[in-house]
Amino acid sequence: GNSVTQMEGPVTLSEEAFLTINCTYTATGYPSLFWYVQYPGEGLQLLLKATKADDKGSNKGFEATYRKETTSFHLEKGSVQVSDSAVYFCALIGSGGYNKLIFGAGTRLAVHP
Amino acid sequence: SAVISQKPSRDICQRGTSLTIQCQVDSQVTMMFWYRQQPGQSLTLIATANQGSEATYESGFVIDKFPISRPNLTFSTLTVSNMSPEDSSIYLCSVLGLGLTVNEQYFGPGTRLTVT
Repeated sequence: GNSVTQMEGPVTLSEEAFLTINCTYTATGYPSLFWYVQYPGEGLQLLLKATKADDKGSNKGFEATYRKETTSFHLEKGSVQVSDSAVYFCALIGSGGYNKLIFGAGTRLAVHP
Repeated sequence: SAVISQKPSRDICQRGTSLTIQCQVDSQVTMMFWYRQQPGQSLTLIATANQGSEATYESGFVIDKFPISRPNLTFSTLTVSNMSPEDSSIYLCSVLGLGLTVNEQYFGPGTRLTVT
């Protein structure tokens, strides 16, 4: 079945550091890929998405590229801020037409001044 | 994006009781879903709420424990029945479709449930 694997957290960075959160997936066909963010005490927000191979999703300085050859969708940001501290979830929807989101375990990011 | 509200935002309930959570969307949507997020864990899909018919439950979730209603295209409820401390979680609804970008699911703020 479909699955998503994320790097374990927590990830602790200083402000303005470079961020990478690894995400790999297992799925047949061409799933759609997503990153969601959950700020403390809040629900999930869609951060970015990519729906086909080589697509790059971007939002708020975050980027992720859909790599079919490595089945990966790593999240990157060039310079993190304290306000980026949150839990980040990688997720996919399979290409079978059923809109079930499969989530990774989540990666907690803590950014210090 | 859609504006999604949930009521209550949090509650503390006694073992053996039931709680009904409401999810309201500001526009009509094709699909509505209910997720559970146990403490420190990821999200797990409970069921898809179908308008005018019975909900579709995922493996491990049953209608007697989590009855769901969806009377129209903007509203759904999830009931957590005969609660135990293991039901302490955040419950989130999400929506998809009808005026929203294909495949983009939007989530409500969640209901934080504690069972004592």
